Amino acid sequence: RKEVEQDPGPFNVPEGATVAFNCTYSNSASQSFFWYRQDCRKEPKLLMSVYSSGNEDGRFTAQLNRASQYISLLIRDSKLSDSATYLCVVITSYDKVIFGPGTSLSVIP
Amino acid sequence: ETGVTQSPTHLIKTRGQQVTLRCSSQSGHNTVSWYQQALGQGPQFIFQYYREEENGRGNFPPRFSGLQFPNYSSELNVNALELDDSALYLCASRTPHAGSGANVLTFGAGSRLTVL
Repeated sequence: RKEVEQDPGPFNVPEGATVAFNCTYSNSASQSFFWYRQDCRKEPKLLMSVYSSGNEDGRFTAQLNRASQYISLLIRDSKLSDSATYLCVVITSYDKVIFGPGTSLSVIP
Repeated sequence: ETGVTQSPTHLIKTRGQQVTLRCSSQSGHNTVSWYQQALGQGPQFIFQYYREEENGRGNFPPRFSGLQFPNYSSELNVNALELDDSALYLCASRTPHAGSGANVLTFGAGSRLTVL
């Protein structure tokens, strides 16, 4: 089993749709959680941190469920500019950084 | 501008050769990590340096080695290149996140290596 797994994708959604990405991790001692966005042939960029209490940034909502070792990202009112690969990132108690394989999103006009 | 710069941006090598990739980050960024990202996959952790010492390593063979220098620059060296080493190599510094205080990764634009 991979340490961090994500929905395989790709997701193809129309503009204005709501889309949800899921991520699971295997190390129960993991400490920090993030969503990164990566555009084609570019470096990953931080989208948002993820907390147990949930956090929202405009159209984006992230949620962490430690008991289920599950992380989610919800994008509301999808824009064409949201098209990218979304990477789930987990940092373990040993300070090891583990990326998920990424889920590709294409928002279609 | 992320404050993390990498060079070269692209390079082509042949099997068996050696390559050195470089990264520089802002003053005070003591922790740097390197990642390999093959096409269609997520970045894979190679190793991490803190204050010029390696303090974490992923599942990469010893022919992947690194250095960090007092001026916050670092290098990734790969010996005896193999075809499967073709990938985007990313360098990242760990910086405090303004909102959470957790350390987040800030990436350079990467070095794209092609091994023929």
